Formats: sequence, structure tokens, C-alpha cells
Amino acid sequence: QVQLQESGPGLVKPSETLSLTCAVSGYSISSGYYWGWIRQPPGKGLEWIGNFYQSGSTYYNPSLKSRVTISGDTSNNQFSLNLSSVTAADTAVYYCARLPVSGFDYWGQGTLVTVSS
Amino acid sequence: QSALTQPASVSGSPGQSITISCTGTSSDVGSYNLVSWYQQHPGKAPKLIIYEGSKRPSGVSNRFSGSKSGNTASLTISGLQAEDEADYSCCSYAGNSIWVFGGGTKLTVL
Repeated sequence: QVQLQESGPGLVKPSETLSLTCAVSGYSISSGYYWGWIRQPPGKGLEWIGNFYQSGSTYYNPSLKSRVTISGDTSNNQFSLNLSSVTAADTAVYYCARLPVSGFDYWGQGTLVTVSS
Repeated sequence: QSALTQPASVSGSPGQSITISCTGTSSDVGSYNLVSWYQQHPGKAPKLIIYEGSKRPSGVSNRFSGSKSGNTASLTISGLQAEDEADYSCCSYAGNSIWVFGGGTKLTVL
């Protein structure tokens, strides 16, 4: 059974960098598929942040591209998200998920990150 | 890349059928058969219910079906049940390895 688990600080100060990690079990991220980050501000819809592929290739939402970095750690079977220069608008539940071809089929439980001083 | 357009809310009575639309452009929904739909109960992670426009993952009820016409994808839920009350979101490939979600639709079972 594929499982994903997000971890990281629940509170980040404005202008700082948000850093989250997604630990994957039941499937090796180096075996294939894309691995993505999606967020959901309170009471709002889902927003795709970006994807990581086993080759190391990364793809980002154009609206966030200048602030986002996604990287993979195959030795620990996990991948990470860094979002710099955060503001209150970045407050959201952050999810990691697996993307085979079409459709994010396995999701983490999500982690709420609040941006506040 | 703009979000896909979904109605904010829809409702239906038990046993009825409802359809949720997801309107994009010729650059996303209209160009690719890569639309997926997600069901999300309050406080829970989204669950994939339709992928590649009309395919159901194993274990998803056949009461859920997907289709597409032009730049608009649709999710139909037949035989509405109380447990179907949730938020539903669509997602489409938009080219250049970019994905875009809809704003979400709240389904109320009356």
C-alpha cells in the first residue's frame, strides 16, 4: 500500500522559507511516476504547486515558479518542497501526492502551514 | 495559467443524478484527455474518482462517471447518496508539464 506523509513546521514567519518533506512508503520514488505538491488555502480550492520526476526533472506552477524548489531524496525515498519569501497568502494545507499519468492517485493527509509573525 | 471554472455549489435529492461542469480552454481541457476528478470530505485529503476523463480507479463506485465536450469536462453522480455530500474538484493537464485545478464545487444532498 502506497502511503505519503508530509512533515515540517506548522508556523512560518513572513519573508522566510517554508520547507516541507514528503516521506513515501510502499513505492520507490526512483521507480517512476511524478511526485507533486498541491496546496489548499482555508476555504478555497486546490492549487498545483509543482512536480518532481525520478530523473530529477522538476516542473512548477508559473505563478509560483520564482519562489519554489522541489527536490527528491531517493536514498530516503522522500521529496521536499521549499517556498521562499512567504506571505499570509501562502497559508494553506499542503499536500504531497503521486501522479502516474493522469490523476493524483495517492495523497498524504496534508499539513497546515500558517504564515504569521 | 487560470484555474478551471466550476460552479460553487450544486445540490440534489437522494436517488437523483447531478452533473458538475469544469470549464477550461483550448489549451487545457480542450486539448488533452487528461482530466481528473477528486472527492474531498471536510478535513480529509482529496480522493481520485475519475482519471483520463472517464476512467474510474479500482474501488470507485460506477455511480461516478466523467465525460468531455469541447473545453468542458463533466462529472455525473447518479443515484445520489448522503455519503456523496462533499467537495468535488477537477484537474487538467495544460501542456508543458503544467497542471491546473478547478475552484471546487460543494455538493449538498438534500
